[in-house]
Amino acid sequence: EAQVTQNPRYLITVTGKKLTVTCSQNMNHEYMSWYRQDPGLGLRQIYYSMNVEVTDKGDVPEGYKVSRKEKRNFPLILESPSPNQTSLYFCASSSYTRLGYTFGSGTRLTVV
Amino acid sequence: GIQVEQSPPDLILQEGANSTLRCNFSDSVNNLQWFHQNPWGQLINLFYIPSGTKQNGRLSATTVATERYSLLYISSSQTTDSGVYFCAVETTNFGNEKLTFGTGTRLTIIP
Repeated sequence: EAQVTQNPRYLITVTGKKLTVTCSQNMNHEYMSWYRQDPGLGLRQIYYSMNVEVTDKGDVPEGYKVSRKEKRNFPLILESPSPNQTSLYFCASSSYTRLGYTFGSGTRLTVV
Repeated sequence: GIQVEQSPPDLILQEGANSTLRCNFSDSVNNLQWFHQNPWGQLINLFYIPSGTKQNGRLSATTVATERYSLLYISSSQTTDSGVYFCAVETTNFGNEKLTFGTGTRLTIIP
């Protein structure tokens, strides 16, 4: 089944403790990106990647890092999480053949 | 940047009713998608519809790109249709195929 897999689905952590949210897709998509969803602010792009070893900032990149060492994986790294990063995070992928975006199931992160 | 507006913001309907959700966007776009966010927070892709009309069961969508709007039709609503419906438009800026989401329509279907 074609899908984007995010892990974990839920995470509660403490301020300053480094964490990684994994994202993997099995569709050989070139393009991957991360979004966060917050009440009243909608979904906003954090980082994106056009292909292996090609990443760039989206609209709200502060406090996040990403890497794209393999085509299928695009992890989101929070080096020192803070409470304002409490949010619902989504990973998405798409192909340049333009068949639309596929989203992961989301990761609900709480930073206390 | 591009603006994406959805209407109505909230909609409460009896089971079996039909509804039309609208999405207006302020500039030319490469593509448009409709998503359903279910009560568990998952974003489910409904339609990839840069132009024209598509149908999938009780749902159909129409995009008129030249007039910068899209419509999502839901017929014979069921309680499982409840949730938030988003349209998202894709624009390309220096290779970033970014999705800009609308503010959503919250649909509640009452049994």
